[in-house]
Amino acid sequence: DADVTQTPRNRITKTGKRIMLECSQTKGHDRMYWYRQDPGLGLRLIYYSFDVKDINKGEISDGYSVSRQAQAKFSLSLESAIPNQTALYFCATSGPDRDRGQETQYFGPGTRLLVL
Amino acid sequence: RKEVEQDPGPFNVPEGATVAFNCTYSNSASQSFFWYRQDCRKEPKLLMSVYSSGNEDGRFTAQLNRASQYISLLIRDSKLSDSATYLCVVNYWGAGNMLTFGGGTRLMVKP
Repeated sequence: DADVTQTPRNRITKTGKRIMLECSQTKGHDRMYWYRQDPGLGLRLIYYSFDVKDINKGEISDGYSVSRQAQAKFSLSLESAIPNQTALYFCATSGPDRDRGQETQYFGPGTRLLVL
Repeated sequence: RKEVEQDPGPFNVPEGATVAFNCTYSNSASQSFFWYRQDCRKEPKLLMSVYSSGNEDGRFTAQLNRASQYISLLIRDSKLSDSATYLCVVNYWGAGNMLTFGGGTRLMVKP
């Protein structure tokens, strides 16, 4: 089973609709992140959370909100979707990698969102 | 100016070739450096960390030049399975383990 899962994997919606993307992890990590990826722009950080009571804005938080329901769950919401939010969204967790001796980020499989 | 810059490619190389990717970063306070690999429509996965002394993992060699704020990845004896996008990533601990990603360099290895 995957350590970081995202639902849905694909979603098509219309402008103005509210959308929630879910992320769950079984790695026991405190730190979780939401990124979006657009062609040629790399991954950009939307929000991050270092524990259940800690939520922080990232580079591009406008138009998004998050909820950290539990250590294992971190959801991303688009309150009123717009076409330029069409992108590939990744959830990630961060924790120690014993093999590498340092903290490593682990990504979910991604959610492909199309806003019409 | 982007914080982490990479040549987007694509780099088209034959099997067995040696290929090198470069990356520059703008934040001199960056403290950790990585190469991630991303297959088409998949999530990024850590390929290797980059250490100041340079490091090697099989056919892959990573180097860091802090003075020039420059990171490189060398792939020897390219395989078809190396075809992917390679993301240069830097980490500044002052921002709480935030990763900053380059736009990626696409590699296509041909038979």
